[in-house]
This record gives sequence, structure tokens and C-alpha cells, in this order.
Amino acid sequence: GPKVLQIPSHQIIDMGQMVTLNCDPVSNHLYFYWYKQILGQQMEFLVNFYNGKVMEKSKLFKDQFSVERPDGSYFTLKIQPTALEDSAVYFCASSYRGNTLYFGAGTRLSVL
Amino acid sequence: GDSVTQTEGPVTVSESESLIINCTYSATSIAYPNLFWYVRYPGEGLQLLLKVITAGQKGSSRGFEATYNKETTSFHLQKASVQESDSAVYYCALGDTNAYKVIFGKGTHLHVLP
Repeated sequence: GPKVLQIPSHQIIDMGQMVTLNCDPVSNHLYFYWYKQILGQQMEFLVNFYNGKVMEKSKLFKDQFSVERPDGSYFTLKIQPTALEDSAVYFCASSYRGNTLYFGAGTRLSVL
Repeated sequence: GDSVTQTEGPVTVSESESLIINCTYSATSIAYPNLFWYVRYPGEGLQLLLKVITAGQKGSSRGFEATYNKETTSFHLQKASVQESDSAVYYCALGDTNAYKVIFGKGTHLHVLP
């Protein structure tokens, strides 16, 4: 089936630095999402993105977070600066329309 | 608010036994909720197992079934005879028709013993 690729699978970074998580969504999809899952906890919605704009974001989507998809390339989540509580697995998803989401395998972010 | 509650795991069953994973939802801000079961196999990304968008309907895939019950706000996942390859984490989810947001339950880890 359709594949969403996330690069890298694991990223380690020092607190205060900037990090960019990359997602290669399914090629003809129009909606893009980021979810966050802290170990042992629920997968939580962060943000969705359509037509170059954020449609909705949750309380977890702090001011230090930003998303973009320049020129139809990777859909990225940038955190600047990072904090210890940002350590989690971040899942990217995409959807053509309707509500079937296709997920990547996740990027584990470790903030030291 | 909108939320999903499902069976807490881990759930352990033997191969060829029946399975039920409970899921109930609360959809206060979504007029016509759509319901899903997603599954994550070891080392893979989350993938859709089945979805039902109309109350009263049943979805099925790979031997799994779930019926959208609006009266009891439930969407339990069932399988008559599990296989070892069904070992995975199963997530019940709730979404709106425009896909702006999908809300997940905490996930239920299923172990199927050979």
C-alpha cells in the first residue's frame, strides 16, 4: 500500500538546539499531520496542514514548533529551541481526502 | 471533549482463540464521527485495519470485525480465531468527515501465543 517515509528513524540532540523532522508523504496526498507519542502514553494530535496552511493545532503544538512543505517536497516539523519534554516519537501521516490516514514508522527524538 | 477509551493491555490469547478488544468513544464536537481501527505491527508504521463511517454498519478486514454502535457509543474489535501473526498494537480512533483531526485511543498490545 501507500508508504509514508520518515527520516531519520532516531535523532539525538542537545537541549536548546534546533531539530527538523522530515516526512515524505504519499505523492498525491493533500492533507498532512504530525502526532506525538511519549513512551507509554497516548498518541496525541499536534497539527494538520493543507494547501500550505495549518488547519488546526493542539495545545501541544507550542510556539517553538513550526511546519511547512516547501515546493511539494518533504513535510517538515521544526522545533526551535528544543526542550527536554520534546523527547518522544513523532509520527507523520498523510491523507488524500476523506479520513484514511497513512502513517510513517515514526522518528524517535531524544533531547539530552 | 472528544475521546476514545479502549481495553488496556497487554492482552494475551492463544492461537485459534477468539478475541475482543473494547472501544468506546465520546464525540462532543464531531457531528458525524467516523470510527477506525489501526494496527501497528512490530517495526512498522501505523496502518488502517478497518473503518466505518455510518452508524449501524460493520467493517471487516483480515478476519477482524467491528460494528459502529451509536446507542452504546462503542466500536469493539472482534476476531473469531486469532493467529500468531496478529500480534501487534491495535488503536481505536475517532475522526470527523473532513479529516482535520483523528483522535486515538491509548492502544492495546495483543500477544498471540503459538
